[in-house]
Amino acid sequence: GENVEQHPSTLSVQEGDSAVIKCTYSDSASNYFPWYKQELGKRPQLIIDIRSNVGEKKDQRIAVTLNKTAKHFSLHITETQPEDSAVYFCAASMGGGADGLTFGKGTHLIIQP
Amino acid sequence: DSGVTQTPKHLITATGQRVTLRCSPRSGDLSVYWYQQSLDQGLQFLIQYYNGEERAKGNILERFSAQQFPDLHSELNLSSLELGDSALYFCASSASDRYNEQFFGPGTRLTVL
Repeated sequence: GENVEQHPSTLSVQEGDSAVIKCTYSDSASNYFPWYKQELGKRPQLIIDIRSNVGEKKDQRIAVTLNKTAKHFSLHITETQPEDSAVYFCAASMGGGADGLTFGKGTHLIIQP
Repeated sequence: DSGVTQTPKHLITATGQRVTLRCSPRSGDLSVYWYQQSLDQGLQFLIQYYNGEERAKGNILERFSAQQFPDLHSELNLSSLELGDSALYFCASSASDRYNEQFFGPGTRLTVL
């Protein structure tokens, strides 16, 4: 089955700096890669996703890049703010509406004031 | 608020018991997914239902079962509970024609004593 590795497990950045979280996946059949943000005790919230026919996608301060050849994808957050502090999860699936998400172990992002 | 609802919010029970968790998907969504989140295992996909039928299976134990009813709400049944079943259980839903874009409910925190 699919295996998703996520790094780093903890990331501390100064407010205003950029943060990058990286994930690799194992199954070349995977073609849908979402990112979720989870605050303590709350539900995972979908923040951005990318499909295998796209190399990069941006939404305001967040962007995701995908390299299908190398089987890795990354989340980039620019101009970080205190409210960006949370645990971020990457995930992969084969898409098509008949497959659960395989998640990475998560990255605890800490924004230092 | 994602539009996905789950009840109960918290559940405390004893080993060997059986519990039922309930989920109502977003209006119009036909797919329901169940996930387990624990400190040691992370976020794990359990099972997916689509319009009343089982569609995909993940790391679901034989002691666990689920179903989706004609009104599209879903129930996850956990039996012969063990201490290790203590976790957050999330339900997510997605529309049938989207690329697995899943929206999570608030979760049910299960504590087995």
